[in-house]
Amino acid sequence: DAGVIQSPRHEVTEMGQEVTLRCKPISGHNSLFWYRQTMMRGLELLIYFNNNVPIDDSGMPEDRFSAKMPNASFSTLKIQPSEPRDSAVYFCASSVFRLAGDAYEQYFGPGTRLTVT
Amino acid sequence: AQTVTQSQPEMSVQEAETVTLSCTYDTSESDYYLFWYKQPPSRQMILVIRQEAYKQQNATENRFSVNFQKAAKSFSLKISDSQLGDAAMYFCAYKSNFGNEKLTFGTGTRLTIIP
Repeated sequence: DAGVIQSPRHEVTEMGQEVTLRCKPISGHNSLFWYRQTMMRGLELLIYFNNNVPIDDSGMPEDRFSAKMPNASFSTLKIQPSEPRDSAVYFCASSVFRLAGDAYEQYFGPGTRLTVT
Repeated sequence: AQTVTQSQPEMSVQEAETVTLSCTYDTSESDYYLFWYKQPPSRQMILVIRQEAYKQQNATENRFSVNFQKAAKSFSLKISDSQLGDAAMYFCAYKSNFGNEKLTFGTGTRLTIIP
């Protein structure tokens, strides 16, 4: 089992550039989550999908952020244009969702450390 | 909205001793799940232990156990026989049992193990 795969592991970009973060969930998992970790705000959910459909995107900070899940094995988080305050570690996590309220584990990827200069 | 509070930014413990990390939460819901996640320097988030709110019995996983006090909305983690590999950030997290699958995290406690 390869676990949740994220790429790139590190990204350094200049303000104003487009950034795309990628995630491959664990095979068979049907829920996918994007979290952001910063010193100021800690770990916070940006968006999550269930069966490729966005369920809760209330954590997406603004229109510069967008996320897609075109199929069960791939998701992207895009920031356009990027700003220095977007610098953070972005985690993708996946899980198996069967019933509302199910006790389950979210498996996290290794994260992408984004630095916007 | 639910909130999770970890009031100890840093803790330290002597190797082989026992340490307790505190977590409190605020919710109006009666059914939910609570978790402790560990984040070592590698940055990987690892589930340590989970607790279902409807269960009165405290969860245990080897050297890790919780003290779940539902009325007090308290969920502390006890690590027994601390080992050098336990050094990490520890996050308490809440998940509703009413449809939203997201985890709400506390701010974390950095645990240092003293050899």
